[in-house]
Formats: sequence, C-alpha cells, structure tokens
Amino acid sequence: EAGVAQSPRYKIIEKRQSVAFWCNPISGHATLYWYQQILGQGPKLLIQFQNNGVVDDSQLPKDRFSAERLKGVDSTLKIQPAKLEDSAVYLCASSSSGYGNSYNEQFFGPGTRLTVL
Amino acid sequence: DAKTTQPPSMDCAEGRAANLPCNHSTISGNEYVYWYRQIHSQGPQYIIHGLKNNETNEMASLIITEDRKSSTLILPHATLRDTAVYYCIVDLGAGSYQLTFGKGTKLSVIP
Repeated sequence: EAGVAQSPRYKIIEKRQSVAFWCNPISGHATLYWYQQILGQGPKLLIQFQNNGVVDDSQLPKDRFSAERLKGVDSTLKIQPAKLEDSAVYLCASSSSGYGNSYNEQFFGPGTRLTVL
Repeated sequence: DAKTTQPPSMDCAEGRAANLPCNHSTISGNEYVYWYRQIHSQGPQYIIHGLKNNETNEMASLIITEDRKSSTLILPHATLRDTAVYYCIVDLGAGSYQLTFGKGTKLSVIP
C-alpha cells in the first residue's frame, strides 16, 4: 500500500513570498490532516478535513494560511505572505477513522521542510 | 495543551528493554492512550493504543495502571532503529479523531 505523499520535500523562500504544499493521502482515506512542526516541538494540528469538508480549522492562522481539499482526495496548503516564524516542517496525515475504524491511527507523510529567510 | 507528561530524554542499551513512562492524571474514562514515534526526518508512526487493559503488538507492549493515571510503553529488545522521539497522547475522544502532540521523549539506543 502506497503511503502519504507530499511535495516538495524542501522549500526555501524569503519572507512575504507565498508558498504551497501538496499532499496525496492513502487511497480511500476520508480524513486528512495538516500539521505544523516547529523544531524541537511536537506536531500541531492546523486543519482537519473529512472528505472535502473542513472539520476543524481552529488553529489555522487564516489571515495567511489557507487549505483546500478538492474532490475529497488531494490537498494543498498555502501560506501567503510567509513570515519568519512559519519556518517549520509541514506534515500531512490521513486516516480512515470514522469509516469502520474506531481507533485513531493516522498515517503521516515525510513532510515538507520550509525555511523562511 | 497536551494532557500528558513525559521525560524529555532517555537512554537504553541495545538489546535491552526500553521502558518509556507517561503520566496522564486527568484522563477521562472514555479516553484512549496512544503512542506514536517519530524517527529523525520522518513523519510520526503509530505504535499502539489502549483503554484499560494491557496491550501488545508486534512493535511494543503498553501497560496502563489500574487507575489509568499513567502508562508505560515497552520496547522489549531495543535496536538502534528504535532511536526516535516517542509521543504519548490521550485521544480527545468523542470521535474527534484528533491527536494533540506534546514534546515527547527522545529515546537514544546506545550500541
């Protein structure tokens, strides 16, 4: 079974520029998550999708971050404009939770390491 | 905020059992304890979860105290590939299917 795919793996931009990350979840997984992981900390949930609807985006800085999941499959996360403090690894995860799977096993991609200069 | 407390780091000799503790004194009756680990430059990986009873799978064992206020993840024969950050997470429950990560425990397996 193919895992969660993310691209790019690395991105370096200057502050005030925009950037986008792409995620392809495991086939058939209805739930998709985006996390931000700052160096030395655990991942922090930014947004959770169920199919193509948003379940929770309470921790997404909506003035600069946006995310979409068209057709309930692939997802993109965008930052516009980027700030220095956005430097982090952005992780995408998917799960089949809620669809015959009662426990919370999330499958994570390798992440995109963003450096904002 | 994470509802768990873990030591920031631990060492374990290769081939020995690694016992990683976690305190979750405010856990509710219907909340599960999950363990994930994150190897350097990779995304987190699910290890095991439990509610009340001890659990074992091919990766590890989970021991939960009777009062459910703490638990221990046991890697029976640690290898160098087990070097990682281990996260103990209490599920928010109610079908939210969300994970709140703390800083975890950095386990270093020493040759």
